[in-house]
Amino acid sequence: QVHLVQSGAEVKKPGASVKVSCKSSGYTFTNYYVHWVRQAPGQGLEWMGWINPHDNGAASAHTFQGRVTLTRDTSIDTAYMELNRLTADDTAVYFCARGRAAVSLPIATVPLGDWGQGTLVTVSS
Amino acid sequence: DLQMTQSPSSLSASVGDKVTITCRASQDISHNLAWFQQRPGEVPSLLIYGASTLQSGVPSRFSGGGFGTDFTLTISRLQSEDVATYYCLKFDGAPWTFGQGTKVEIK
Repeated sequence: QVHLVQSGAEVKKPGASVKVSCKSSGYTFTNYYVHWVRQAPGQGLEWMGWINPHDNGAASAHTFQGRVTLTRDTSIDTAYMELNRLTADDTAVYFCARGRAAVSLPIATVPLGDWGQGTLVTVSS
Repeated sequence: DLQMTQSPSSLSASVGDKVTITCRASQDISHNLAWFQQRPGEVPSLLIYGASTLQSGVPSRFSGGGFGTDFTLTISRLQSEDVATYYCLKFDGAPWTFGQGTKVEIK
């Protein structure tokens, strides 16, 4: 059974950085992309980026380029999202989600079929 | 950048009604389109991918269609548990892009 468990809520001051973790279990971590999506209060879903745990490749939305860093630690099956230079507009729930296969697999894989529980990041002075 | 535009932004329908939500891509995305349901206070849940393939466990009253730039999500007979916001998503490659969402309520 696939599980993605995220780190707890954070409160940060403007200008600070936040690092959210996403620990995976129930599948081979390096076989699937991990995506990050955020949702500001009362707003829609915003895709942030993905990391390929197999080769450490990453891509991010233009909105976040230069401010977001996606990393992973394959020894503990955990992906990380770090966002720098926080402003109040970054107040949101941040989700990780399992993406499609990062390697050739004999099964069909789906986009964002499994999600973490979300991590609330509040940016306030 | 690619834009995904959903319509309507919200709708109200009666239990048992047929409901259709549309999603338009600003450029051809083939069949790389997924639909998600997010009930109030919950994590998003995948309904459909590849424009028309139903995710395992999703009720058959949900269906998807379309190709290229125009896509639809249809709920054949609306149920009370379908109250949620629905999002389309262009996937594969980078960037991925969500639509702005359609809020579905019961009349």
